[in-house]
Amino acid sequence: ETGVTQTPRHLVMGMTNKKSLKCEQHLGHNAMYWYKQSAKKPLELMFVYSLEERVENNSVPSRFSPECPNSSHLFLHLHTLQPEDSALYLCASSQENRGDYTFGSGTRLTVV
Amino acid sequence: AQSVTQPDIHITVSEGASLELRCNYSYGATPYLFWYVQSPGQGLQLLLKYFSGDTLVQGIKGFEAEFKRSQSSFNLRKPSVHWSDAAEYFCAVGPGGGNKLTFGTGTQLKVEL
Repeated sequence: ETGVTQTPRHLVMGMTNKKSLKCEQHLGHNAMYWYKQSAKKPLELMFVYSLEERVENNSVPSRFSPECPNSSHLFLHLHTLQPEDSALYLCASSQENRGDYTFGSGTRLTVV
Repeated sequence: AQSVTQPDIHITVSEGASLELRCNYSYGATPYLFWYVQSPGQGLQLLLKYFSGDTLVQGIKGFEAEFKRSQSSFNLRKPSVHWSDAAEYFCAVGPGGGNKLTFGTGTQLKVEL
């Protein structure tokens, strides 16, 4: 148990579907992150939430929509995705202004 | 802008041999530096971190890393590798007091028995 739980672990969706990824942390952290991990590419920071406010959006397409209803939960809403969006999506949390993240196990997303 | 280079994509070592994984960073001030490990199908786990002070830091699983400012490096070492160390290793750099980490492309470690 890592303290950061992501669901589902695997997701296959069509390009016209709408789905959501969920992340939950029980570590008392106040910052949460979405990263995209594609083969042979560095981890790409997508969104940062600090104290439940979005503080960073790294030019992510609008077909990805994050939501952070409280400090323990983070969602990534997906709609009209493209095949190139297939990747491992990782959620992480940390204390504000500290880089020692705790990662979840990720959601393996396949867009068909 | 901060960046991280891990020059070795793949490394193979024999069990019991020593290991050094290279990491070079680019950052304008004193960075926070990290090493993470990722096993197949899992998220990343923090091995060790450097914020300040002693430039040789100890981590979990017998790993250590040394911060060398003059070389902009933060290489990861282990004196004797175990088969269970086979995984992908990521170096990361972040601004002091900030949240945003930049990761390298990773080094895949294979351990031969």
